[in-house]
Amino acid sequence: AQKVTQAQTEISVVEKEDVTLDCVYETRDTTYYLFWYKQPPSGELVFLIRRNSFDEQNEISGRYSWNFQKSTSSFNFTITASQVVDSAVYFCALSEAGSGGSNYKLTFGKGTLLTVNP
Amino acid sequence: GAVVSQHPSWVICKSGTSVKIECRSLDFQATTMFWYRQFPKQSLMLMATSNEGSKATYEQGVEKDKFLINHASLTLSTLTVTSAHPEDSSFYICSADGQGGLAGGLGETQYFGPGTRLLVL
Repeated sequence: AQKVTQAQTEISVVEKEDVTLDCVYETRDTTYYLFWYKQPPSGELVFLIRRNSFDEQNEISGRYSWNFQKSTSSFNFTITASQVVDSAVYFCALSEAGSGGSNYKLTFGKGTLLTVNP
Repeated sequence: GAVVSQHPSWVICKSGTSVKIECRSLDFQATTMFWYRQFPKQSLMLMATSNEGSKATYEQGVEKDKFLINHASLTLSTLTVTSAHPEDSSFYICSADGQGGLAGGLGETQYFGPGTRLLVL
């Protein structure tokens, strides 16, 4: 069975600090996808990144970066120079590749509430 | 690209009535759509997987006769909460599989609608 653990329930930082959100996953599949989504107070889930299990390259997108390490089954997310607008709940999620890529399911972690204070 | 809309964004209804929520993929075709519910300060719980033109697949513990799902086209899925009760009050979110129709590696990625807040009195 798949499982995603986000051990940090809540994190509070001051603006301009760097912050890392941890994500550890469990799966028996060799092919899978990892995701991060942002859920601001409005409720909509915003897609941030997808990474497949064969691509361990780290990725940087502006102030966001992701560190994928299969050896430790982790897919951590770092926000550099945090801003108040980064305040949200962040979800890490895992899916199997599925047959033809359809009908796969997302397994979500419990989410990390990030509060960035001015 | 990959925009999903939901309607209504919020609804208040009396106990015993039925409520229909629409989920549309605006700029891509979605063979598969998913319905989730989320209680305050909790994670998303998958309710059902909806494939165009076929019956939805419900997760264990989700009453299919209470939560009716119809996926009649590649851009529209509906969730009807029948005979709603106060315990059905929740945030309902749909997502669409971006595999169909668009280039750029959208496959195997779920794009979410803005959600519908349901309050049953």
